[in-house]
Amino acid sequence: DSGVTQTPKHLITATGQRVTLRCSPRSGDLSVYWYQQSLDQGLQFLIQYYNGEERAKGNILERFSAQQFPDLHSELNLSSLELGDSALYFCASSQGAGETQYFGPGTRLLVL
Amino acid sequence: GQNIDQPTEMTATEGAIVQINCTYQTSGFNGLFWYQQHAGEAPTFLSYNVLDGLEEKGRFSSFLSRSKGYSYLLLKELQMKDSASYLCAVPATSNDYKLSFGAGTTVTVRA
Repeated sequence: DSGVTQTPKHLITATGQRVTLRCSPRSGDLSVYWYQQSLDQGLQFLIQYYNGEERAKGNILERFSAQQFPDLHSELNLSSLELGDSALYFCASSQGAGETQYFGPGTRLLVL
Repeated sequence: GQNIDQPTEMTATEGAIVQINCTYQTSGFNGLFWYQQHAGEAPTFLSYNVLDGLEEKGRFSSFLSRSKGYSYLLLKELQMKDSASYLCAVPATSNDYKLSFGAGTTVTVRA
């Protein structure tokens, strides 16, 4: 158990819908990262927050957005969902911006 | 950007040794990470190398050569539970800590 928690574990929804994925970092970690992992793409970095502020962005779609709250938990919002958004979404956290990242158990999203 | 190469698959026998190679190209270097990922589960941190040389941690060791842009993960005394994907990852740039991951090497341990 890494200490990073993610909810929900599984999510099934329809195309065009919007979902919110939630992540709580390890105690004391200020940095949160979101990754997408699909079968044909591997693990892809989406976005990073550090102490409430956006720090780095990957190839995150405009339909996707995220934020980190004052209590340091983070949410990833996915809207206008498409079939291709079906994937595992991982959150990771680290103490500082450049330290080892520890991953949560992931949210498995299935868009039908 | 980064270019990270690792073999797609490797198979070995229980009790044997396997070496997983990773080559990378990056505009600035700030360390290299190895993660283990069992199917459908989260990546688990294995090792971090920032200086050249071998880091040993129990049955797992990781080696880095910065001049060659090369690392390897050595798994010794293989056990069935070591069957997993092994991911090599480097930060995008020397000032950027978002990780770029290789596609992963799937290791299958056979009895």
